[in-house]
Amino acid sequence: GENVEQHPSTLSVQEGDSAVIKCTYSDSASNYFPWYKQELGKGPQLIIDIRSNVGEKKDQRIAVTLNKTAKHFSLHITETQPEDSAVYFCAASKRGADGLTFGKGTHLIIQP
Amino acid sequence: EAGVTQFPSHSVIEKGQTVTLRCDPISGHDNLYWYRRVMGKEIKFLLHFVKESKQDESGMPNNRFLAERTGGTYSTLKVQPAELEDSGVYFCASSQDLGPSGGYTFGSGTRLTVV
Repeated sequence: GENVEQHPSTLSVQEGDSAVIKCTYSDSASNYFPWYKQELGKGPQLIIDIRSNVGEKKDQRIAVTLNKTAKHFSLHITETQPEDSAVYFCAASKRGADGLTFGKGTHLIIQP
Repeated sequence: EAGVTQFPSHSVIEKGQTVTLRCDPISGHDNLYWYRRVMGKEIKFLLHFVKESKQDESGMPNNRFLAERTGGTYSTLKVQPAELEDSGVYFCASSQDLGPSGGYTFGSGTRLTVV
C-alpha cells in the first residue's frame, strides 16, 4: 500500500520568514496530494491540494510543488504569521481509493 | 451550514469497557469517512460509507470496532471491548463527491483515552 513520509516533525521559523515542509510517497499510482492544517482543538482543514497533472499550485502565501519522477511534494508558506502556527499534514491518494494516506504531521511554530 | 459534528469531544474509559462515538456529517453528504490518529503517528483511514453502505472498511483494525450508519445520516463507531492501544483521536469527515479529491470536511474529533 501507499506510504507517506513527512519531514520535519517540528519546524520553528521567525515570523516573516518562509517555511517548507516536505513529503515523499511510495505508490506511483497516487494522483491527488492535499495538505491539511490542524489547529488546537479542531479537525484537519484542507488548505491546498494538487493533482498529478500539475507541477505547482499557488494560493496567496501558500504554494505546493509536485515532482512525480522523484515522488515528492512540498508545502511552501511565505511571509509566515503567528496564525500559521499549527500542525500540517500531507496526504496522498489514487483514483479509486476511498481514503487518504497521511504523513505523520509537522508542528510548525512561528516565533515572534 | 453546520459542519461535521462529533461527540463526545473527549472520552475516558477503562480497559474492557465499551464506547460509542458519533458523527453527524454535513447535511446531504452521502460520503462519510472515519479516521484515527494514535499519539504522534499519522492519521489512518478506517472506513468509508456511501449512504448507509460500507464502501471500504479495509482500515478497521479488528473486530472490536463496529461502524454503522443506519438510514444514511449519522454514523456511530463502537469499540467493544476497548484496549489501551485504542487510545487516540478519532476523526470523521464527510464529502458530497466521491473519493478523497471530492473535498473532505473533517469534524473536530473525539479524543479517546483508555486507561
